[in-house]
Amino acid sequence: EAGVAQSPRYKIIEKRQSVAFWCNPISGHATLYWYQQILGQGPKLLIQFQNNGVVDDSQLPKDRFSAERLKGVDSTLKIQPAKLEDSAVYLCASSSTLTGPGNTIYFGEGSWLTVV
Amino acid sequence: GENVEQHPSTLSVQEGDSAVIKCTYSDSASNYFPWYKQELGKRPQLIIDIRSNVGEKKDQRIAVTLNKTAKHFSLHITETQPEDSAVYFCAASSQGRRALTFGSGTRLQVQP
Repeated sequence: EAGVAQSPRYKIIEKRQSVAFWCNPISGHATLYWYQQILGQGPKLLIQFQNNGVVDDSQLPKDRFSAERLKGVDSTLKIQPAKLEDSAVYLCASSSTLTGPGNTIYFGEGSWLTVV
Repeated sequence: GENVEQHPSTLSVQEGDSAVIKCTYSDSASNYFPWYKQELGKRPQLIIDIRSNVGEKKDQRIAVTLNKTAKHFSLHITETQPEDSAVYFCAASSQGRRALTFGSGTRLQVQP
């Protein structure tokens, strides 16, 4: 089974510029997550989608970050304008149905962002 | 919201020894506790998970224990090997909030 696909893998931008990351989840997975992982820390949830609806975006800095999943499949995360502290790995993940306690969440390889 | 604390932050063991990593969580509604292994520059990969209806689960050299009363769970790795060297993350989620809340990670180094 194909895994979670992300692009680009690496991006270097100057502060105040914009960047967009793309994610294609595992086929059939209704739930998609974007996590931010700063070097040396655990992943932190930015936003969770169920199909094309937002389930949780409480930790998304909405003044600069936005995300969409228009057709309930792939998703885009955008940062505009970027700040130095946005330097991190942006991990996309997906899982299947919400029934039952705990569904395995599968991660992509991540998009590494450096803001200079 | 949920808060997950993980200890120790670094752990160095000799090859063949056991390693134990401990996590505590705050939300009593949490009922799913996975452990992920992350090698340098790689994605987090699930190595074992436990649900709140069991107290212990084992898979070869890896085991996880859960104490719901005390709200803590632990990862046990026996007969460690150099390839076990990585960063390990614990996480928790509830049926109501499916997204995982992660601990801060433990860097395990297995010395040959």
